[in-house]
Amino acid sequence: GAVVSQHPSWVICKSGTSVKIECRSLDFQATTMFWYRQFPKQSLMLMATSNEGSKATYEQGVEKDKFLINHASLTLSTLTVTSAHPEDSSFYICSARDLLSIVYGYTFGSGTRLTVV
Amino acid sequence: GESVGLHLPTLSVQEGDNSIINCAYSNSASDYFIWYKQESGKGPQFIIDIRSNMDKRQGQRVTVLLNKTVKHLSLQIAATQPGDSAVYFCAEIPLNTGFQKLVFGTGTRLLVSP
Repeated sequence: GAVVSQHPSWVICKSGTSVKIECRSLDFQATTMFWYRQFPKQSLMLMATSNEGSKATYEQGVEKDKFLINHASLTLSTLTVTSAHPEDSSFYICSARDLLSIVYGYTFGSGTRLTVV
Repeated sequence: GESVGLHLPTLSVQEGDNSIINCAYSNSASDYFIWYKQESGKGPQFIIDIRSNMDKRQGQRVTVLLNKTVKHLSLQIAATQPGDSAVYFCAEIPLNTGFQKLVFGTGTRLLVSP
């Protein structure tokens, strides 16, 4: 079945530094990938939709200059948290759409736990 | 974001019982719904889906019911097992979202006691 690999699975960084999270579709092509953020004991909040070769579409309230998204190929999207602060600590999850699936085919990565100290 | 950021309600059941997890969705234009299971520290896993032209769909030990009149979705798990303990989310795809965004509901934590 469709597999999405997300890396790293966890990262600790200092305030003010930037962190890059990768999301790869391993056995399918995904023109669209989605980035979610999840706080403890809460639901997944959609941050942005990433389309291959074009600018990402951000949800209301999500700072595009802080959360840089790049979708350079059909199998890779990256999320960079710039100038990270402790309030950016969260669980970040990506999802990719399998265009060849007869259903909508959303597959999720295993998530990245970001801790900013 | 579009999902609701509330603390998760919890459903506690005994092993072998049937579990029913409910979800209210808000967008009457949604045409596709999915139930996901999320274990601690992991991404969501697909359980079962249903289109808006159906009111019931069955899988292995799971059944999803859709009531479009009251915008309500439920997930029934038969003979619940300890391995079913997780957080369950319903998700919807509103018809009016250009990129077919998946929007998540609040979620319910299922605790299964042996």
